[in-house]
Amino acid sequence: SYELTQTPSVSVSPGQTATITCSGDKLGSKSASWYQQKPGQSPLLVIYEDWKRPSGIPERFSGSISGNTATLTISGTQAMDEADYYCQAWDNTAVVFGGGTRLTVL
Amino acid sequence: QVQLQESGPGLVKPSEMLSLICTVSGDSLSSYYWSWIRQAPGKGLEWIGNIFPSGNINYNPSLKSRVTISVDTSKNQLILKLNSVTAADAAVYYCARHMAGGRGAYYYQYMDVWGKGTTVTVSS
Repeated sequence: SYELTQTPSVSVSPGQTATITCSGDKLGSKSASWYQQKPGQSPLLVIYEDWKRPSGIPERFSGSISGNTATLTISGTQAMDEADYYCQAWDNTAVVFGGGTRLTVL
Repeated sequence: QVQLQESGPGLVKPSEMLSLICTVSGDSLSSYYWSWIRQAPGKGLEWIGNIFPSGNINYNPSLKSRVTISVDTSKNQLILKLNSVTAADAAVYYCARHMAGGRGAYYYQYMDVWGKGTTVTVSS
């Protein structure tokens, strides 16, 4: 079965750039999405179709994909961005999530 | 604005069937795919399956033998049934609107609207 791998945790200082990666076989030929989940809340879509931002998602969130890796970048990270982030792709009729990355804003 | 609300018994006995409903408001069930996703305590997201009301249904291979997803279009509801539950099925269960499409060789699928989730405990 298809797997997506994420680094379990990332730390960043306020105002700095946070980079969260997601790797999977030939991921660059698929479509990646990213979700933000804060404690006690349901996931929130922040990036879809590799780089597109839903309405209401701040411009500091951006996405890219190349080769086997999708990347979520948060520029000028704010304290409110502290959350778990999950990547997601689709493979052969099944949706697959990465294991999640906990972003800590120190 | 579309809203999703999960409901069902919060407690299920081991070996019994779990049955959950997701009520969709503000949009027609018939126009999109809809997914069920769950999250065990302290764990990540696990996709259970999705359905397009015209009949196309996909399941997570790891759950396929125990899961049934259906819709009641008259009530605009999505239904999840999971049989033979064990403690490993204890989780927060979410329903979500599932966008799917393609352009040439590029296919995309993502979930853009989520319910608040409902907690299921498995215990005798």
